[in-house]
Amino acid sequence: SSELTQDPAVSVALGQTVRITCRGDSLRGNYASWYQQKPGQAPVIVMYGKNNRPSGIPARFSGSTSGTTASLTITGAAAEDEADYYCKVRDSTTFPGVVFGGGTRLTVL
Amino acid sequence: QVQLVQYGAEVKKPGASVKVSCKTSGYPFTGYYLHWVRQAPGQGLEWMGWINPDSGATKYAQKFQGWVTMTRDTSVSTAFMELSSLRSDDPAVYYCARDLRGDGIYFDSWGQGTLVTVST
Repeated sequence: SSELTQDPAVSVALGQTVRITCRGDSLRGNYASWYQQKPGQAPVIVMYGKNNRPSGIPARFSGSTSGTTASLTITGAAAEDEADYYCKVRDSTTFPGVVFGGGTRLTVL
Repeated sequence: QVQLVQYGAEVKKPGASVKVSCKTSGYPFTGYYLHWVRQAPGQGLEWMGWINPDSGATKYAQKFQGWVTMTRDTSVSTAFMELSSLRSDDPAVYYCARDLRGDGIYFDSWGQGTLVTVST
């Protein structure tokens, strides 16, 4: 199955650490990419590959994968990290097509 | 710099078709795949398909096969996504996104989105 499952909502206290997870069989042997989307804006990539941050993405963002679960961790969450986060993985049947997870709404308290 | 420009909004009647454009600049248009992604109001991102601007080859998500057509005009560095037989659950923001590496991993630039409204 190409489906990716994310928790609908997660919250974190300002300055604390939060992990956003993405689960799916298609993650076995593949890395997820992660996108941040703020209201009214297009998504922005924040993580890809094993643990690669695009230029301009703060070092507090990190990524990992274990089996069929990918995680995006924010260490020391900032107020501006409040957003929706989507994981994405390639779909071999439509390469280079992709599948998105359902998204996680992150609230920074 | 790399830019993907989309027009703001379209209003269509149920059963009609809509053709959304994505005008690119700042890079060789034929060098990078473009993907189309839609987002219904309050919902998540949904991948629709891709187009190879060089060859014109396309691939669509199964859900949209027979219903969506992606084309391009290399003379104006613009990609198009046409969705036919619009239904009540089609209202969404439709985005185009550039695939930096051509492997589906890194969508580095996105259009600002086109809001499609379906209304009688």
